[in-house]
Amino acid sequence: GDSVTQMEGPVTLSEEAFLTINCTYTATGYPSLFWYVQYPGEGLQLLLKATKADDKGSNKGFEATYRKETTSFHLEKGSVQVSDSAVYFCALSGRIGNMLTFGGGTRLMVKP
Amino acid sequence: NAGVTQTPKFRILKIGQSMTLQCAQDMNHNYMYWYRQDPGMGLKLIYYSVGAGITDKGEVPNGYNVSRSTTEDFPLRLELAAPSQTSVYFCASSTPSGSYNEQFFGPGTRLTVL
Repeated sequence: GDSVTQMEGPVTLSEEAFLTINCTYTATGYPSLFWYVQYPGEGLQLLLKATKADDKGSNKGFEATYRKETTSFHLEKGSVQVSDSAVYFCALSGRIGNMLTFGGGTRLMVKP
Repeated sequence: NAGVTQTPKFRILKIGQSMTLQCAQDMNHNYMYWYRQDPGMGLKLIYYSVGAGITDKGEVPNGYNVSRSTTEDFPLRLELAAPSQTSVYFCASSTPSGSYNEQFFGPGTRLTVL
């Protein structure tokens, strides 16, 4: 079945550092890929998305590129802020029942 | 649009009690979902619905029941609450298109069973 694997956290960075959170997936066909963000005490919000190979999703300075050859969708940001501290979830939706399959989440902590 | 709303925000139950978690959406989405998120963990699908009158089990359905009488509402019922059901519960909705299924989430209900 479909699966998503994320790097385990927590990831602790200083403000203005470069961020990479790795995400790889297993799926049949051509899934859509998502990054969701969960701020403390809140629900999940869509951060960015990509629907086909080589698409780059971007939002709020975050980027991720759909790499079919490596089945990856790594999240990057050039300069993190304290306000980026949250849990980040990689997810995919495939053909099977249109369900979302989530990774385990990666907690990011940014220190001033 | 209010999006996806959930009530209550917090609740403490005693073992064996029952309760209903409410979820409503005003986006006319046909799909709705219930997830639970245990501390430090990802989301697990409890139940989902593809339209009014149609529901199906997800990964962890035991101890829960759902109904979907309208497009807007998707309540989750806990019967005989157990400590293992202590979790944060999220409702979501979507209208999938092909393999694209962007889900919209509510703010969550934090449930503690003592």
